Amino acid sequence: GENVEQHPSTLSVQEGDSAVIKCTYSDSASNYFPWYKQELGKGPQLIIDIRSNVGEKKDQRIAVTLNKTAKHFSLHITETQPEDSAVYFCAAPNRDDKIIFGKGTRLHILP
Amino acid sequence: DAMVIQNPRYQVTQFGKPVTLSCSQTLNHNVMYWYQQKSSQAPKLLFHYYDKDFNNEADTPDNFQSRRPNTSFCFLDIRSPGLGDAAMYLCATSRDPGKQTQYFGPGTRLLVL
Repeated sequence: GENVEQHPSTLSVQEGDSAVIKCTYSDSASNYFPWYKQELGKGPQLIIDIRSNVGEKKDQRIAVTLNKTAKHFSLHITETQPEDSAVYFCAAPNRDDKIIFGKGTRLHILP
Repeated sequence: DAMVIQNPRYQVTQFGKPVTLSCSQTLNHNVMYWYQQKSSQAPKLLFHYYDKDFNNEADTPDNFQSRRPNTSFCFLDIRSPGLGDAAMYLCATSRDPGKQTQYFGPGTRLLVL
């Protein structure tokens, strides 16, 4: 079945710098890759997703890149702000179209 | 404005005492999911409903049951909570199953004494 690996588990960046979180997946048939942000005490919320017909997608300070050959995708946050501090989960579907989450990255934005 | 509502936000129960968590949605989505999330871990899917069709995950313990009386509401019943069932329980919805955005509620934190 699908296996989603996410790195790093914890990331600290200075406010204003960029943050990059990387994920790999195992099922070459996967074609949908969402990223969720979970703030303390809240449920995860979708922040961006990408489908396999494109290699990159941007939404203001957030971008996701996809390398289908290498089976990895990354989340890029530029000009980080304190409100970016949260846990971020990548995900990919398995053959039953169920979403499999990575283990999460706790992002700390340092003042 | 809340689209996926979970009640209560915090629930304390005693070891072995049945407990029910509730979820409602205003999105009119076809699919409702229940996830268990333990501290510093990813959400783990317990089961989901696609309309009235119940889909259980193979590794979900029999202690966990669910009911969906109508499109808007879904309940998670834990028949005999153990200490290991203490966790955050997240409800989510999507318009259809598969490669679609899931909308999560704020979660119910369950404490078992």
